[in-house]
Amino acid sequence: EVQLVQSGAEVKKPGESLKISCKASGYSFSNYWIAWVRQMPGKGLEWMGIIYPGDSDTRYSPSFQGQVTISADKSINTAYLQWSSLKASHSAMYYCARLSGVSFRGYGYDLWGQGTLVTVSS
Amino acid sequence: QSVLTQPPSASGTPGQRVTISCSGSSSNIGSNYVYWYQQLPGTAPKLLIYRNNQRPSGVPDRFSASKSGTSASLAISGLRSEDEADYSCAAWDDSLSGLIFGGGTKLTVL
Repeated sequence: EVQLVQSGAEVKKPGESLKISCKASGYSFSNYWIAWVRQMPGKGLEWMGIIYPGDSDTRYSPSFQGQVTISADKSINTAYLQWSSLKASHSAMYYCARLSGVSFRGYGYDLWGQGTLVTVSS
Repeated sequence: QSVLTQPPSASGTPGQRVTISCSGSSSNIGSNYVYWYQQLPGTAPKLLIYRNNQRPSGVPDRFSASKSGTSASLAISGLRSEDEADYSCAAWDDSLSGLIFGGGTKLTVL
């Protein structure tokens, strides 16, 4: 089955680090871009950035550049999103999503993970 | 504040036709494709429309979309209770070099 399965919900304290994962199966992971999308409680979707697992080419939204790190390990078909020092404002649902083609402009995100809820609270 | 502007809510009765608008600018909708995503309560988004007006396999033809200039719209005909969801438009923005979403429209089926 073609799917993206994300790691489970996390509860962290401000200042802690965190790395969440998105494991792909059923397709050639290296050949499709994977993006991360944030959804804060009751709010809309925000595109954070994207990675091409084949060569780890990574692009970030200006809003998230320097705030998070996106990475991938093609040997285990897994993409990651990490923070070095969490803040309460990082509390949100995070989705990974597969770009259905090679162009950022010309293709949509046709496969989504189930989401990982991150809660940051002291 | 989202770069793409959508009405926060829309509603209709079963069988009706409803439309949801999405307004952008020359750097996004005006020069790139528009996509629409449906997010049912408590679930991940689902691609509903790609490349302005194309439906992925499995999406009913009750869903249609169009684009004109710097605006786009999604239409749902023969409204059904299971269409109650959040609908978000998206487009690449050349100025930001990133994908932008609208704020989402919550559709209520009365």
